[in-house]
Amino acid sequence: QKEVEQNSGPLSVPEGAIASLNCTYSDRGSQSFFWYRQYSGKSPELIMSIYSNGDKEDGRFTAQLNKASQYVSLLIRDSQPSDSATYLCAVISSGTYKYIFGTGTRLKVLA
Amino acid sequence: ETGVTQSPTHLIKTRGQQVTLRCSSQSGHNTVSWYQQALGQGPQFIFQYYREEENGRGNFPPRFSGLQFPNYSSELNVNALELDDSALYLCASSLTAGGPETQYFGPGTRLLVL
Repeated sequence: QKEVEQNSGPLSVPEGAIASLNCTYSDRGSQSFFWYRQYSGKSPELIMSIYSNGDKEDGRFTAQLNKASQYVSLLIRDSQPSDSATYLCAVISSGTYKYIFGTGTRLKVLA
Repeated sequence: ETGVTQSPTHLIKTRGQQVTLRCSSQSGHNTVSWYQQALGQGPQFIFQYYREEENGRGNFPPRFSGLQFPNYSSELNVNALELDDSALYLCASSLTAGGPETQYFGPGTRLLVL
């Protein structure tokens, strides 16, 4: 069973701090990784995709991928109360192009 | 806004009934995937349609079925509804299948089975 693991949280950080969200995956053949944000009662919205080892930055968001350790993370700099949401990690399953989602990490940014 | 639309937004059914959910994909996208998201869980892959053909299926029973139309819109049908089918149903469209395509989600349909 190919799995994606996330700590369910909640992860609480003060406004202006860096929030660090982590995700591990079991399918060593996975090549594509995504972070989605989901507000309560809403559908997931794409934050970032990452395909190569290393860091990818987009505004306040940085995705980090380490395929050897089967680990992908999302850093949110200067966290704002509006960043409070559940963050879903998704991995494309090798050979099927099927998305496998983690259960999500709930982030609370305290004003 | 992703350009992916779903209808209805909310639905209440009773056990044993049948339901049809609809999805219109983003312009230019020929692939639609359907997901079930139970409360507190991540989305679970149901199936994917590419150019009107089923292109992969998750661990869902045959009473979950689908269609994709020539304009790439799609339907999800669920027969013999069970209480555990209560969930948020999400459709996601992508440019094409067979590659690491980014998926864009619609607003979802919240189904409650009583």
